[in-house]
Amino acid sequence: EPEVTQTPSHQVTQMGQEVILRCVPISNHLYFYWYRQILGQKVEFLVSFYNNEISEKSEIFDDQFSVERPDGSNFTLKIRSTKLEDSAMYFCASSQQGAGNTIYFGEGSWLTVV
Amino acid sequence: AQTVTQSQPEMSVQEAETVTLSCTYDTSENNYYLFWYKQPPSRQMILVIRQEAYKQQNATENRFSVNFQKAAKSFSLKISDSQLGDTAMYFCAFMKHVLKRDDKIIFGKGTRLHILP
Repeated sequence: EPEVTQTPSHQVTQMGQEVILRCVPISNHLYFYWYRQILGQKVEFLVSFYNNEISEKSEIFDDQFSVERPDGSNFTLKIRSTKLEDSAMYFCASSQQGAGNTIYFGEGSWLTVV
Repeated sequence: AQTVTQSQPEMSVQEAETVTLSCTYDTSENNYYLFWYKQPPSRQMILVIRQEAYKQQNATENRFSVNFQKAAKSFSLKISDSQLGDTAMYFCAFMKHVLKRDDKIIFGKGTRLHILP
């Protein structure tokens, strides 16, 4: 079964450093998402992306965050200057089409900011 | 704004028993989708079951079924003949219907389910 793949699986970074989390969505999918889950808390929506632009973003997704689909296969989340509170599991997700189609999640990238 | 509430932080049942996880939600939308996701210790988010609000029939997937009560805004998950591999965190989730695109998923806080041998 096709799957969403994410790299790295785990990254440790120093506070203030830039981090790029990478995702390869399922190949025929058109909608892409990033969610995050701080340890012990619920999964929270960050941003959705369609047709090469952001569809929606949450209040968490401030100017420190950006997303990009640079080459038609990768979908990246960049955190410009990491803070301790950015430590979390970041999930990439994709779906084929809108209107409630099944959204598939990757295995997550665990980011630790020290 | 939509909210999803899971009132059971943690549950334990014996292997082979049936267990029901509760979920309620609040929305003013008439058309939406509800999901149960499973997150095992590996932390991957796996879709267990999906329900469209306009369908009255409860969704089933093998040992997993839901009891969808639209008027009560309730969406419980029943796991029959539970197996050790069902041990995981289970998230109830809501997504409103938006034409031609997916809206964001709103997750509950989760229920940690332990299946005991």
